[in-house]
Amino acid sequence: GENVEQHPSTLSVQEGDSAVIKCTYSDSASNYFPWYKQELGKRPQLIIDIRSNVGEKKDQRIAVTLNKTAKHFSLHITETQPEDSAVYFCAASNTGNQFYFGTGTSLTVIP
Amino acid sequence: SAVISQKPSRDICQRGTSLTIQCQVDSQVTMMFWYRQQPGQSLTLIATANQGSEATYESGFVIDKFPISRPNLTFSTLTVSNMSPEDSSIYLCSVEVASTNEKLFFGSGTQLSVL
Repeated sequence: GENVEQHPSTLSVQEGDSAVIKCTYSDSASNYFPWYKQELGKRPQLIIDIRSNVGEKKDQRIAVTLNKTAKHFSLHITETQPEDSAVYFCAASNTGNQFYFGTGTSLTVIP
Repeated sequence: SAVISQKPSRDICQRGTSLTIQCQVDSQVTMMFWYRQQPGQSLTLIATANQGSEATYESGFVIDKFPISRPNLTFSTLTVSNMSPEDSSIYLCSVEVASTNEKLFFGSGTQLSVL
């Protein structure tokens, strides 16, 4: 089955700096890669996603890049704010089937 | 997205008892899943809830311990049977919503503590 690895497990940045979280996957059949943000005590919330026919997608301060050849994808958050502090999970899916999640990155934005 | 109602939101149970968690969705969904999230950990897929047939379980999870029902397209239950303290966790219902090109959304979760 699919194996998703995520790094780093913890990340601290100064407010206004950028944060980058990286994930790798093992199953070449995976074609959909969402990212979730989970605040303490809350459900995971979908923040951005990318499909395998696209190399990059951006939504305001958040962007995701995908390298299918290398089987890795990354989340980029620019101009970080304290409210960006949360745990972020990447996931991989073969559309219509199960989603497999990374181990999570705890992001702290220091004011 | 979709409104996913999950209940109970939390419960404290005695060892050896069972708890049934309900998940109701207000939209047409293609897939329903049950995940477990242990404290400070990632999301582990328990099973895919199949409408009208037996659920598909992931390695390490069995029907006797986690029976699942899905009588229709928008409702599912997960039972945690014969509970032990190791079952203390958050259990999350999740759905793929047809109208969103099958994006995955989560219910609010059930925080289970077993004494």
